[in-house]
Amino acid sequence: DAGVIQSPRHEVTEMGQEVTLRCKPISGHNSLFWYRQTMMRGLELLIYFNNNVPIDDSGMPEDRFSAKMPNASFSTLKIQPSEPRDSAVYFCASSLSGRAFSYEQYFGPGTRLTVT
Amino acid sequence: AQSVTQLDSHVSVSEGTPVLLRCNYSSSYSPSLFWYVQHPNKGLQLLLKYTSAATLVKGINGFEAEFKKSETSFHLTKPSAHMSDAAEYFCVVSGNTDKLIFGTGTRLQVFP
Repeated sequence: DAGVIQSPRHEVTEMGQEVTLRCKPISGHNSLFWYRQTMMRGLELLIYFNNNVPIDDSGMPEDRFSAKMPNASFSTLKIQPSEPRDSAVYFCASSLSGRAFSYEQYFGPGTRLTVT
Repeated sequence: AQSVTQLDSHVSVSEGTPVLLRCNYSSSYSPSLFWYVQHPNKGLQLLLKYTSAATLVKGINGFEAEFKKSETSFHLTKPSAHMSDAAEYFCVVSGNTDKLIFGTGTRLQVFP
């Protein structure tokens, strides 16, 4: 099993540019989560999907952030326009939904974003 | 509502000595509890999980945790620390949804 796949692993961009982060969840998993990790704020849940439908986006910082899940095997997190304060490591995680599966999440390796 | 408190932000031990990372939780439901580990510049890896079966849970790399309902605790232990155990450890609780609630993390340092 390949695990959760994220691309790119590193992204350096200039302020004002659009950034797109990509995630491929584990095959068969039906919940997908986007997290952001910084030294100041720790690990924050941005948004999560269940069966490709956004369930909770209350953690999305502002309108500059958007996420989509067009099918069960692909999701994107887009930042437009990017700002230096968006610099962070962005993690994608997936799981099998429901109490029967104990909500265990599997994390990708992360994308380290630097906005200059 | 669910919450989790990691009682120590940093723990330092010598190689070969026991490790204790403390975690208290609060949950309105019968919780699932997890410990995740994050090595520097890596993603989060599941160490172990409690899901209302045995209260003493064994995980990878010699770690274990005991669920104590009366104390609302889920402390992580290891009898003998190894240099490779140096990492950030997160205690995590779930309630009745797919969302996990993460603690603020405990950084474990292991000295030779």
